[in-house]
Amino acid sequence: AQTVTQSQPEMSVQEAETVTLSCTYDTSESDYYLFWYKQPPSRQMILVIRQEAYKQQNATENRFSVNFQKAAKSFSLKISDSQLGDAAMYFCASKGSYSGAGSYQLTFGKGTKLSVIP
Amino acid sequence: KAGVTQTPRYLIKTRGQQVTLSCSPISGHRSVSWYQQTPGQGLQFLFEYFSETQRNKGNFPGRFSGRQFSNSRSEMNVSTLELGDSALYLCASSFTNGFDEQYFGPGTRLTVT
Repeated sequence: AQTVTQSQPEMSVQEAETVTLSCTYDTSESDYYLFWYKQPPSRQMILVIRQEAYKQQNATENRFSVNFQKAAKSFSLKISDSQLGDAAMYFCASKGSYSGAGSYQLTFGKGTKLSVIP
Repeated sequence: KAGVTQTPRYLIKTRGQQVTLSCSPISGHRSVSWYQQTPGQGLQFLFEYFSETQRNKGNFPGRFSGRQFSNSRSEMNVSTLELGDSALYLCASSFTNGFDEQYFGPGTRLTVT
């Protein structure tokens, strides 16, 4: 079984500043993927960034980057040049728990609510 | 390409009733997963369907069931509703539900009174 822990229920950042959201996970799988999802107040969950566990290089998507520390089972999200539109719930998730028949279950953390201060 | 759609968006039911929620995946996607989101429990996996077969099931009582049709559209049903079933129900689709990305719908907000 996989578990995902987000220890920061809420965070705030000044517009144009940088913020880092923390996530730790636990898994016995050797092959897995990690994700950060964003859920704005409109509720549509969208993928922000993904990281393949076998890749040592940290993933980057424009202003979003991750710090993936495999040995420490840590997967933090850094948002640079924060914008008002970044305000949302952010969920860390892992995928790797194989259920058989080709299906992988997505396990989510409890989420971090990010506020952006103008 | 149209995204994942869910109907209805909002629903109010009474305890003891049953409810059916619908999800239409992105065209070409064959896997549909369902999640329950509540403030207390967060996002919890309900079940996953692929080519009309349930491949995976979360830890929910038998009152929660689902199915998938030949066009990949999926429905989930909750019978004998309880107050605790009030939640946002999210549907997500992907090509195979291997390590490919899941795309989420806007959700159905169910309120049980």
